[in-house]
Amino acid sequence: DQQVKQNSPSLSVQEGRISILNCDYTNSMFDYFLWYKKYPAEGPTFLISISSIKDKNEDGRFTVFLNKSAKHLSLHIVPSQPGDSAVYFCAARGETSGSRLTFGEGTQLTVNP
Amino acid sequence: NAGVMQNPRHLVRRRGQEARLRCSPMKGHSHVYWYRQLPEEGLKFMVYLQKENIIDESGMPKERFSAEFPKEGPSILRIQQVVRGDSAAYFCASSWAAKNIQYFGAGTRLSVL
Repeated sequence: DQQVKQNSPSLSVQEGRISILNCDYTNSMFDYFLWYKKYPAEGPTFLISISSIKDKNEDGRFTVFLNKSAKHLSLHIVPSQPGDSAVYFCAARGETSGSRLTFGEGTQLTVNP
Repeated sequence: NAGVMQNPRHLVRRRGQEARLRCSPMKGHSHVYWYRQLPEEGLKFMVYLQKENIIDESGMPKERFSAEFPKEGPSILRIQQVVRGDSAAYFCASSWAAKNIQYFGAGTRLSVL
């Protein structure tokens, strides 16, 4: 039962353009969402998060949007840089899941110079 | 280095042997989580511990796997009688409190021959 789904295994974007990574979830009890970035042979690095009481959170080049009615969130990176090339994971947690995070499968972002 | 430290980074075991994976949380963090990532998949929650207590082990396989976080020293994930299907990357994360942001270590890559 895949409760958090990232339907695009990969995304390729030109440097300077916008990268949009998408994530869908099925568990309506999720109330907190996070994005992590992962380089090969390293652990996931926390990027940005959003609570279900908000619909947008921004931090520098990174903005996360949450659409609760559609159970959908997205991560926007503007402008994209070659160093952003990594696997991006969406994660969620909720009251019934305690502190544990449920991750999506990840999207490989490639930013071309 | 104040980050989450995992060792060893790589571990090779033959079928039937035991694997011990260690995790030292970030300074000041008393909450530890273990996740497993199989090839081409996202991270899957295994267990959540505080000092001397297992809080949530809902993701742990029922047999051969155990975890501890003693009063002194690192958290240990122990896999007895390893099988080929245990080959994966095992990531440890820590947080300052329950439901705070989880910060990940670089992982231990277990290969079972």
